[in-house]
Amino acid sequence: GAVVSQHPSRVICKSGTSVKIECRSLDFQATTMFWYRQFPKKSLMLMATSNEGSKATYEQGVEKDKFLINHASLTLSTLTVTSAHPEDSSFYICSIGMSATEAFFGQGTRLTVV
Amino acid sequence: SQKIEQNSEALNIQEGKTATLTCNYTNYSPAYLQWYRQDPGRGPVFLLLIRENEKEKRKERLKVTFDTTLKQSLFHITASQPADSATYLCALDTGNQFYFGTGTSLTVIP
Repeated sequence: GAVVSQHPSRVICKSGTSVKIECRSLDFQATTMFWYRQFPKKSLMLMATSNEGSKATYEQGVEKDKFLINHASLTLSTLTVTSAHPEDSSFYICSIGMSATEAFFGQGTRLTVV
Repeated sequence: SQKIEQNSEALNIQEGKTATLTCNYTNYSPAYLQWYRQDPGRGPVFLLLIRENEKEKRKERLKVTFDTTLKQSLFHITASQPADSATYLCALDTGNQFYFGTGTSLTVIP
């Protein structure tokens, strides 16, 4: 199966700063990647669909200007949390996978905003 | 409203027994249903996929059933082992998007 590498696995940042999370597809050219957010003991919530070479599609309620997504190549998508606040602290996970097939997830990034 | 419910947030069973996890959904029409395992601080890992026209799927000690009339999937782990302890997520694949349940935390007691 595909291997998805996410970096960093953990990050602590100060309130008001920006944090970039990388998601790499190591052995698969992914035209589409997905970004999820997960709160403790809660399900994965889809934030946005990242499309290579075009704008990301955001789910309702997700602030586009706060969560910037860039999918510049078939193997890399980045999520930048801008002007982070404590309420943005969460577990962020990226994945690749289309309907009818398994999804491959990155290891996740634990973001803590202090 | 749309809802996906997985039975009991936590499930404890004795080693060697069969663990049965439930996934019920309302107001979805999934073409496929998938089960994932998630360990603490890690991303989910795919286990099994079952199509809407399939009743049952097996893989080693794992078995999944899918009843579109009851809108329910059951996930069984037979001869459970402590290494099976993890959170298990069901995911509805509607063809456009995946929708995940909140997960059931399984602990297999030696």
